[in-house]
Amino acid sequence: EAGVVQSPRYKIIEKKQPVAFWCNPISGHNTLYWYLQNLGQGPELLIRYENEEAVDDSQLPKDRFSAERLKGVDSTLKIQPAELGDSAVYLCASGRLSSGELFFGEGSRLTVL
Amino acid sequence: GQQLNQSPQSMFIQEGEDVSMNCTSSSIFNTWLWYKQDPGEGPVLLIALYKAGELTSNGRLTAQFGITRKDSFLNISASIPSDVGIYFCAGNYGGSQGNLIFGKGTKLSVKP
Repeated sequence: EAGVVQSPRYKIIEKKQPVAFWCNPISGHNTLYWYLQNLGQGPELLIRYENEEAVDDSQLPKDRFSAERLKGVDSTLKIQPAELGDSAVYLCASGRLSSGELFFGEGSRLTVL
Repeated sequence: GQQLNQSPQSMFIQEGEDVSMNCTSSSIFNTWLWYKQDPGEGPVLLIALYKAGELTSNGRLTAQFGITRKDSFLNISASIPSDVGIYFCAGNYGGSQGNLIFGKGTKLSVKP
């Protein structure tokens, strides 16, 4: 079974530029999460989807961050414009509603200069 | 909001030694998960716990869901160099998968 696929793995941009990350979850998984991980910290939830519905986006900074999960499969997370403090690893995870287990992708490391 | 306290923050041990780390929460959790993260990689699920008092093993790893539902521990027996990494606990205090939050991690270093 293929795991959660994320791209790009690395991205370096200048502040105020836009950036987008893509995630393809494990086939058959109906929940999808975007997490933010700062250096030396645990992952922090940005947004949670059940199928195509965003059921928890309370931690998503909506002034500059947006996410979508069209058709309830893959998802994109966008930042526009990026700020220096956005430098971090953006992790995508997926799972089944019937299970408490989440499976993570390798992450997209963002550096904002 | 909900908080997880994970300890110790870091450990430096000799190969072959046993390791123990734990997590405590300010609220009752329905699920405890333990993950390992290697540098530059995403967290990998090690063990999932669903019932208070549950004790589950995965090879040399053993984890327990505390009976108060506010804590969990992870033990690694006979550590080897490839156990090096950061171990995260995660807890779910809502229904199904909702509201999964993570501890800050325990960094494990193993001296051959």
